[in-house]
Amino acid sequence: DAKTTQPNSMESNEEEPVHLPCNHSTISGTDYIHWYRQLPSQGPEYVIHGLTSNVNNRMASLAIAEDRKSSTLILHRATLRDAAVYYCILRARGDNYGQNFVFGPGTRLSVLP
Amino acid sequence: DTAVSQTPKYLVTQMGNDKSIKCEQNLGHDTMYWYKQDSKKFLKIMFSYNNKELIINETVPNRFSPKSPDKAHLNLHINSLELGDSAVYFCASSHPTGKYNEKLFFGSGTQLSVL
Repeated sequence: DAKTTQPNSMESNEEEPVHLPCNHSTISGTDYIHWYRQLPSQGPEYVIHGLTSNVNNRMASLAIAEDRKSSTLILHRATLRDAAVYYCILRARGDNYGQNFVFGPGTRLSVLP
Repeated sequence: DTAVSQTPKYLVTQMGNDKSIKCEQNLGHDTMYWYKQDSKKFLKIMFSYNNKELIINETVPNRFSPKSPDKAHLNLHINSLELGDSAVYFCASSHPTGKYNEKLFFGSGTQLSVL
């Protein structure tokens, strides 16, 4: 299984940018990098995903290293609502129906007012 | 208009009982899943169904039996509950247009406590 490693926890101040790192040194060429987050007492929610190029959406940006062995989720202005556990997950091209879609412990982000 | 809804939100029961968790999605998705989140917060897939057919069945005890009456519903029945079954169970759905590229939509979870 391709695996990811993330810091257990991070802290940020409200309205400041947050960079959440993820290492995936064993990534294969066809693995997609997905990010989800889990707010307290909620199910995970999709944030963003990418393959090789950097990606932007209304929630966040995803910066992918050139060698693809690491990626960074960027929240441009953290709000209190962004306090959550953030999961970085690799999804193989052949991984249909979620058989290898495993969420690790993730990074617990605290946002300070 | 919740996209993926599961009931009940909390379930407290005695060891040995049988219980069910219901899940419904109104997104028109073809694929539904059950995930289990353990005390260490790892979230692992248990089952996935596509158009009412079982696709994935991870190493889950036979006491767990999913049932999909139609593609909008995937219920989870658990027989002879054990202490180790205590966890949060999440239902999810997705539309497999790109399969590996698809987004999963999760329910808000059912916290099962077995006493």
